[in-house]
Amino acid sequence: GMPVEQNPPALSLYEGADSGLRCNFSTTMKSVQWFQQNHRGRLITLFYLAQGTKENGRLKSTFNSKERYSTLHIKDAQLEDSGTYFCAAEMTNSAGNKLTFGIGTRVLVRP
Amino acid sequence: GALVYQYPRRTICKSGTSMRMECQAVGFQATSVAWYRQSPQKTFELIALSTVNSAIKYEQNFTQEKFPISHPNLSFSSMTVLNAYLEDRGLYLCGARTGRYAEQFFGPGTRLTVL
Repeated sequence: GMPVEQNPPALSLYEGADSGLRCNFSTTMKSVQWFQQNHRGRLITLFYLAQGTKENGRLKSTFNSKERYSTLHIKDAQLEDSGTYFCAAEMTNSAGNKLTFGIGTRVLVRP
Repeated sequence: GALVYQYPRRTICKSGTSMRMECQAVGFQATSVAWYRQSPQKTFELIALSTVNSAIKYEQNFTQEKFPISHPNLSFSSMTVLNAYLEDRGLYLCGARTGRYAEQFFGPGTRLTVL
């Protein structure tokens, strides 16, 4: 299967709602990054995790290397949270900085 | 802070012609630079990885003959798309980092349109 499986492919939620995205990995990953791609295509880094959990405002991300998954949780969704979110992971045996991206999750926040 | 610039931001070229794009790391030494392409409606594919003191490594389906890369110093990299065709359309991103276990910083991308 795919090294990085990202779900769901699309997500629609109302302002104020909470929701989550998940990436499952087919193998042990060294680290994971989460990005939001804005309407101009720019990747905005949300989190970089080598392990554990990080929070930043209304966003929270967890990476469990042993269980081979990472999650991104959006709390109290706002309109500006709309966009496409990607997880990208680096394999443990990677000699460089090769990231494998998930397919992305299109998030639409409705008023 | 660590910033990555890419130039140009957008470019249009005729089918069969070539175009060069640049990537510059500011505020840190880019010991490795990775070039990715996001084709329309798709995710990001790694084209090649360039690491200081190592040969540039191309992924399957991408070749040096088609996407020659230069990484002359720790702050600059360039990639050329030779003989561009419709399937080469997309957003080309440069990701750079310093050290083996640091996060990767991305530029804003160069969007290539092929007519």
